[in-house]
Order: sequence, then structure tokens, then C-alpha cells
Amino acid sequence: DIQMTQSPSTLSASVGERVTITCRASQSISSWLAWYQQKPGKAPKLLIYKASILESGVPSRFSGSGSGTDFTLTISSLQPDDFATYHCQQYSSYSYTFGQGTRLEIK
Amino acid sequence: EVQLVESGGGLVQPGRSLRLSCAASGFTFDDCAMHWVRQAPGKGLEWVSGISWNSNKIEYADSVKGRFTTSRDNAKNSLYLQMSSLRADDTALYYCVKDRGRISSYAFDCWGQGTLVTVSS
Repeated sequence: DIQMTQSPSTLSASVGERVTITCRASQSISSWLAWYQQKPGKAPKLLIYKASILESGVPSRFSGSGSGTDFTLTISSLQPDDFATYHCQQYSSYSYTFGQGTRLEIK
Repeated sequence: EVQLVESGGGLVQPGRSLRLSCAASGFTFDDCAMHWVRQAPGKGLEWVSGISWNSNKIEYADSVKGRFTTSRDNAKNSLYLQMSSLRADDTALYYCVKDRGRISSYAFDCWGQGTLVTVSS
């Protein structure tokens, strides 16, 4: 199975800051990567798919980049609603593995 | 509005069976692959199983292969997960998830609210 490793595990930041979360795959997954946002007690929500395509309705302050094994999720200017846990996922091949998650906290 | 509503979770003893259901609405169900994803308390997400639009392709995580069976009824807009030989480490919130694609995945664009399965004696 392809392993997905996110860093950092926890990130403390302030409103208005620019933040970046990294996801690394154990082998090349081309651009078959998605990012999800999950708030406490809620289901995950798709933010970005195919590494860089913004899902409909997602604010443009979210962006994704990368291909092959290294990927990033960037939030250009943090808003109060963005404090949540972020998960990357590869869907290049079964099993469709997720990263361990990055918890974004208010500093 | 796309809706996925899971049911069938509960407390079950180790070694017993349980069947989860997912009722879908708001989209063309037989046009989408579907999945089950679980999340143990305080843990990350784990893909469990996926099924293509026409049930011709069904895949399972190694952790559940041989114990879980996924099926769908397109006439009823429903997805199912039959779980047997349940173990304590199967304890999790089980999400029904819609894929953007029909066969191979194109990412998971809609999630239900989940149904909790607790395996304990």
C-alpha cells in the first residue's frame, strides 16, 4: 500500500497568517491527491482534488500544488473558520490511503 | 442537495456480525462509485471498501478483507456494508462516501454523517 505522511501533525497559527501543510507519498501518485477539511464532530469535506483543483464552493484562499510524491496545501490568509484538521489522501491505487492528519490550531 | 444517511451501527460483541446501510439522495446514484471510510475515536481516516457504479469492481482494505462485504442496490439508491467476525479494532465511526467517478476514484466529494460501530463484550 502507498503510505501518506503529513507534516506537521499540529500547526499553531494566527488569523491572517499564510500556512502550508505538506503531504508526501511513499511512491509516485502522479496528481491523484485530495485534501479534506474536518471539523470536530463533523464529516470531512473535500477541498481540493487532483492535487490543485479547487472543489466548487471552496474559498480561493485554499490552494494545492505538487505532483509525484510531494504535495502542499496552502491557506493564503487564515480565517477563523479554517481552524480544523486537514487530511490528504491518495486515490492513485487501492487502498486509498489517508495521511495521519494535520490539526490547525489558533495561536 | 446530495444526502447520504447511514444507519445500522450500534454495540456488538466480538465475533458477531452487523450490517450498515446508506440511503443516498440528491444525485444519480448509479452514476457514482461509492465507498465506506471509517474513523476510530480520536484517530485518522481509513478507507474500508469501494464499489463501482455497476458493482463489477469491489475492493477492500487488507484489514477487513474476508470479513466485510460491500454491496449496492441501485434501484433503491442504497449502499451496504455487511460486517462479520467483528473485532475490537473495528470500533469506529463508519462514513458512507460518494466518489466523483464511476469506477476508479476521482476523490470523495460527499460524506454522510457516519454511524458508530462499537465492538465490545
